[in-house]
Amino acid sequence: AQSVTQPDIHITVSEGASLELRCNYSYGATPYLFWYVQSPGQGLQLLLKYFSGDTLVQGIKGFEAEFKRSQSSFNLRKPSVHWSDAAEYFCALSNFGNEKLTFGTGTRLTIIP
Amino acid sequence: GAVVSQHPSWVICKSGTSVKIECRSLDFQATTMFWYRQFPKQSLMLMATSNEGSKATYEQGVEKDKFLINHASLTLSTLTVTSAHPEDSSFYICSAPLAGGPTGELFFGEGSRLTVL
Repeated sequence: AQSVTQPDIHITVSEGASLELRCNYSYGATPYLFWYVQSPGQGLQLLLKYFSGDTLVQGIKGFEAEFKRSQSSFNLRKPSVHWSDAAEYFCALSNFGNEKLTFGTGTRLTIIP
Repeated sequence: GAVVSQHPSWVICKSGTSVKIECRSLDFQATTMFWYRQFPKQSLMLMATSNEGSKATYEQGVEKDKFLINHASLTLSTLTVTSAHPEDSSFYICSAPLAGGPTGELFFGEGSRLTVL
């Protein structure tokens, strides 16, 4: 069965510092991978996605993620966080031809001045 | 981009009553919509897949008679929580794929918070 693991439940980062959120997956083939962001009480917004090709993908709001097949990882990064980046971040995967998403448990990001 | 809207955004009801939540795709047609449930500080759990013109497909462990799903048109899916109880209190989120768009790219509604007293 496919699964997504986000090892960090909560991360606190200073404004302006760099950020890396971890995501590991378990799937028999190459999955489609996504990162979503959820502000409190809101739905989810897609930050970026990986389907194939270049393993470093760029997303919105200055985020990027790198697919590493050997490590079954798809970590999210941002060089310099802003206070507005405080939110819940979800990594997710789907298999080919199926829009069902399997979500990780999420990482809550807190930004301190 | 494609927009998915849910209504109501929050609802409080008494135990034993039924509550209907609507999910609309505003600027595109959606033959399929997905309903998720999210408990506080937890991830999203897929409840069911709503299919226009046919019965919904429920995930294992989800009570079909408890969570009634109707995909009335290409732009509307409804989730009815029947005989609601406090344990049904949760954040319910719908999503829809854009037909012809990349597989797996979903657009999410704003969510509906249900509180059962």
